[in-house]
Amino acid sequence: AQKVTQAQTEISVVEKEDVTLDCVYETRDTTYYLFWYKQPPSGELVFLIRRNSFDEQNEISGRYSWNFQKSTSSFNFTITASQVVDSAVYFCALSEMRNTGNQFYFGTGTSLTVIP
Amino acid sequence: DSGVTQTPKHLITATGQRVTLRCSPRSGDLSVYWYQQSLDQGLQFLIQYYNGEERAKGNILERFSAQQFPDLHSELNLSSLELGDSALYFCASSVALKQPGTDTQYFGPGTRLTVL
Repeated sequence: AQKVTQAQTEISVVEKEDVTLDCVYETRDTTYYLFWYKQPPSGELVFLIRRNSFDEQNEISGRYSWNFQKSTSSFNFTITASQVVDSAVYFCALSEMRNTGNQFYFGTGTSLTVIP
Repeated sequence: DSGVTQTPKHLITATGQRVTLRCSPRSGDLSVYWYQQSLDQGLQFLIQYYNGEERAKGNILERFSAQQFPDLHSELNLSSLELGDSALYFCASSVALKQPGTDTQYFGPGTRLTVL
């Protein structure tokens, strides 16, 4: 079973539209970390946000916002007023802590295309 | 630019061969992580080193090994290469002053390995 599910494989929006990327995770741990990364067409992975499981406050950073809901095991990412530069593949990831070290699980990614 | 460097950028080799990928972390970062990104498997965590010691193992094959040197750079060795090992290999680093693996990871540009 997938530890991190990003059900939306591809999304296309017109510039200036808002878009939400869904992420559902699965863990039995009480302490864990969630991440979002952006992979633009150039290929590098860019860190966007990290949340720990005890901090359910939603976060806003410019046009980006994140909605963390433990009750539904979701950590969704919204881009407001999308721009062409937002076109990329976005990955959600889960980190679980183990005595042998943290384990990291990535979703399959959502490819976002913003049409000018 | 994340500050993490990886060499080489591209590598083409034949099945059965052995290659070494190199990663230099950001200045001051103690932890290095290796990931594999392929079309079949997506993004997978391979292994983590912290201050020279192996810290966590993910889905790393026995044909693969890694090490982190006293100057904190890391090398990923891939041997008996198979066609399926063709992938983008990312290195990431983090400060990891507290619990290694819970803090922000900064990714290098990746090494694209093609096995023919």
